[in-house]
Formats: sequence, C-alpha cells, structure tokens
Amino acid sequence: EPEVTQTPSHQVTQMGQEVILRCVPISNHLYFYWYRQILGQKVEFLVSFYNNEISEKSEIFDDQFSVERPDGSNFTLKIRSTKLEDSAMYFCASSDRTGVEAQYFGPGTRLLVL
Amino acid sequence: AQTVTQSQPEMSVQEAETVTLSCTYDTSENNYYLFWYKQPPSRQMILVIRQEAYKQQNATENRFSVNFQKAAKSFSLKISDSQLGDTAMYFCAFMKYAGNNRKLIWGLGTSLAVNP
Repeated sequence: EPEVTQTPSHQVTQMGQEVILRCVPISNHLYFYWYRQILGQKVEFLVSFYNNEISEKSEIFDDQFSVERPDGSNFTLKIRSTKLEDSAMYFCASSDRTGVEAQYFGPGTRLLVL
Repeated sequence: AQTVTQSQPEMSVQEAETVTLSCTYDTSENNYYLFWYKQPPSRQMILVIRQEAYKQQNATENRFSVNFQKAAKSFSLKISDSQLGDTAMYFCAFMKYAGNNRKLIWGLGTSLAVNP
C-alpha cells in the first residue's frame, strides 16, 4: 500500500541553524501539506501546496519557512533560522487529485531545537 | 472561522465494550468534510473515517462508525468491540471545500485508553 515517507525521523539542531525536512508524498497525489504538533498540543496547519505553488499558508508560516518540490517526488520544508519554539513534530501529508479525499500522513519528523 | 471542539480530554473503556467520542464544530460553510484520525503512542497520524457533509448517511468503517448531525454540527465517533490496539489519541478534523484550499482544522483530541 502506498504511503507517505519522511526523513529524518529525528533531528536535533542548534537555535539559528537551518533545517530541511523531507517528504515523499504518495506518487499520484497532487495536494501536499505540512502540519506541526507541539508536544501534547493541537495539530496546526502550516502550508498547503498544489500545482507547484503555495495554495494556503497559516500565520505561523512566516518568512523563516519555505517549501519546495524540487523534483517529481520530494516535498521539502525549510526553516531558515530555527527558534526554540520550532521544536515540534512535523507531519507531511498528501491527498489525491481532488483534494477532498483524506489526507494521508507520513510518520513525522521530531525536531528539537536547542 | 471554523472551529472544532472535542469536549472529552480523556476517556477509558473496557475491552470489547463500546465507546463514543464527541466532536462539535462551527462553520457557516455548506460543503465540507469531517474526519477522525487516530494517533497511537508511535505518533503516526492514521485516518479512521471520513464523512462528506452532503451525505446524510453516516460513514462506517468496520468497528468504527459516526453519528453525523449536520444541523447540530455534531460528529461523534463510535468504536464498537474496543480492542487494546484502539488505545490512542483521537482527533476530529474539519476541511472546507473551497477552491484549492484543503487545510484540516483540528480539535484538541481525546485520549482513549482501552483497559483489559
């Protein structure tokens, strides 16, 4: 069964460093998303991506964040200068060509900023 | 703006029994979708069930079913014959259908413990 994959599973970084979180969505999906979940708290939407551009972003997704689909398979989230409060679980998700079927999630990347 | 409320932070149930998790939402939209996701201790987010707002029939998926009350804006999840593997955090989520925006808006979750 196709699945969303994410790498790395864990990342530890120093405050101010850049991190890139990688995702491989399900191959025939066209909508891609990043969400984050601070430990024990709500799941928060960051950004959605469709047709090679951002379709929506939240207020969390400021200039420090960017997304890219560098090739036909990968979807990346970059945080340019990490802050302590960026420590969270980051989930990538994808959904099919209609976007109204369910979003399928990857296993997440646990980011810890020291 | 849409909001999703899960009023039960924690619940427990005995194995083989039935439990119902509550979810209410607030929206002025007419076309939308509702989901339940399960997050076990591994923290993987797993789809449990999906409901289309324009369908009156309640969605079912094996032991999982929903009670969708559109007028009341209520979307509860019933788990029948609870199993130990059902122990997880359960999140209710809302998605409106508008253009290419498909973001999920999440409740705070209900932590369910299935006891042997």
